Amino acid sequence: QSVLTQPPSVSGAPGQRVTISCTGSSSNIGAGYDVHWYQQLPGTAPKLLILGNNNRPSGVPDRFSGSKSGTSASLAITGLQAEDEADYYCQSYGSSRYVFGTGTMVTVL
Amino acid sequence: EVQLVESGGGLVQPGGSLRLSCIASGFTFSSYEMNWVRQAPGKGLEWLSYISSTGSAIDYADSVKGRFTISRDNANNSLYLQMNSLRAEDAALYYCARDPRQYCTHGLCYRGFFDYWGQGTLVTVSS
Repeated sequence: QSVLTQPPSVSGAPGQRVTISCTGSSSNIGAGYDVHWYQQLPGTAPKLLILGNNNRPSGVPDRFSGSKSGTSASLAITGLQAEDEADYYCQSYGSSRYVFGTGTMVTVL
Repeated sequence: EVQLVESGGGLVQPGGSLRLSCIASGFTFSSYEMNWVRQAPGKGLEWLSYISSTGSAIDYADSVKGRFTISRDNANNSLYLQMNSLRAEDAALYYCARDPRQYCTHGLCYRGFFDYWGQGTLVTVSS
């Protein structure tokens, strides 16, 4: 049921930069709706990571950043750390109200 | 501290019913829109249902429309999901999640996201 497409997995060595893409359509991201990102550590509930395309809630390290352009968005993690190993989901809004991405597993090598 | 605590999950036979609850604390529950989101084992997140702060507006994903009913009791800081005609594909961890309606910073406001989630309650559908 996901209408936002993400790569299944990305990996990087500690200290490296990784990016996760989130591809939507003209009915969601392309319609001007904001993109939000969540981090889900193993065995835990999702946690809001980025809101409104590129805003970090209080307590989220500045190595996480987001961007949006056209019908896509991306999440960047710079200075990758072992504790960043998790699943990441993008989320936007569309004709079916809230829509999630397919999810990306980030592995720290 | 904002807390959302789900309960009511369990094992149910196909075609059966369950009622999930989410008890909120640490914020003015009646001021917030609420949602249910589920995650099947090893799968991604799926939004299921929305209810406005007063309960006057409700919405469902097509996958549960006509089978699930969302409701809330603001006097008791509670959110509910009545699930009927359950199917094997409804087996999942069910989360309640708060939508703050909007967040404004630097002159811009953003909407349509979930700022707090519960820990989830597990629903298993099997004969």
